[in-house]
Amino acid sequence: SQQGEEDPQALSIQEGENATMNCSYKTSINNLQWYRQNSGRGLVHLILIRSNEREKHSGRLRVTLDTSKKSSSLLITASRAADTASYFCATDFQGAQKLVFGQGTRLTINP
Amino acid sequence: GAGVSQTPSNKVTEKGKYVELRCDPISGHTALYWYRQSLGQGPEFLIYFQGTGAADDSGLPNDRFFAVRPEGSVSTLKIQRTERGDSAVYLCASSSRRLARDTQYFGPGTRLTVL
Repeated sequence: SQQGEEDPQALSIQEGENATMNCSYKTSINNLQWYRQNSGRGLVHLILIRSNEREKHSGRLRVTLDTSKKSSSLLITASRAADTASYFCATDFQGAQKLVFGQGTRLTINP
Repeated sequence: GAGVSQTPSNKVTEKGKYVELRCDPISGHTALYWYRQSLGQGPEFLIYFQGTGAADDSGLPNDRFFAVRPEGSVSTLKIQRTERGDSAVYLCASSSRRLARDTQYFGPGTRLTVL
């Protein structure tokens, strides 16, 4: 069973536009992480946001966390063709070390 | 430094056979995790090691699955009497609570196909 749900399941935009993906979860968490996956293989860690943080930036990435709504968003600004991938949110809820992943958002950047 | 490595990258086997999948974590990482990812899904947790011991094996689907980490470094995931439903990408991750608390770094995965 998976705790997280990503929305939308698929997103297609033009290069240069901003992409926003959302993630919702069910239980209280320690941290929420976003990962990128190309071609169904290894996951690349993008950013970790802790439960007491509300916003975090890393380059063209901006992540927000709203623990009252149990949701997070990932914004990629000025998208590039190389950003085409699947994006997953993952939570580690209190008392556990394992990550619980959503089903992911498939992002396609059209040149 | 080197990332998490997994071997083999691809494994094709027949139903009923035994397979072993290997994971080499990042040097110095004490925590090691195994996940399984089916097509179109997010990864699902299998087992977590802290050092040599399995701290949480609640994700192992049944007793055909077993994992070891005898020296607290390399880990092997073992699957007995494989079934077609075991076909998936098996991902390994490691983390160091001291160096980069709670961030899990993933390997490239092993794609297992059971015919």
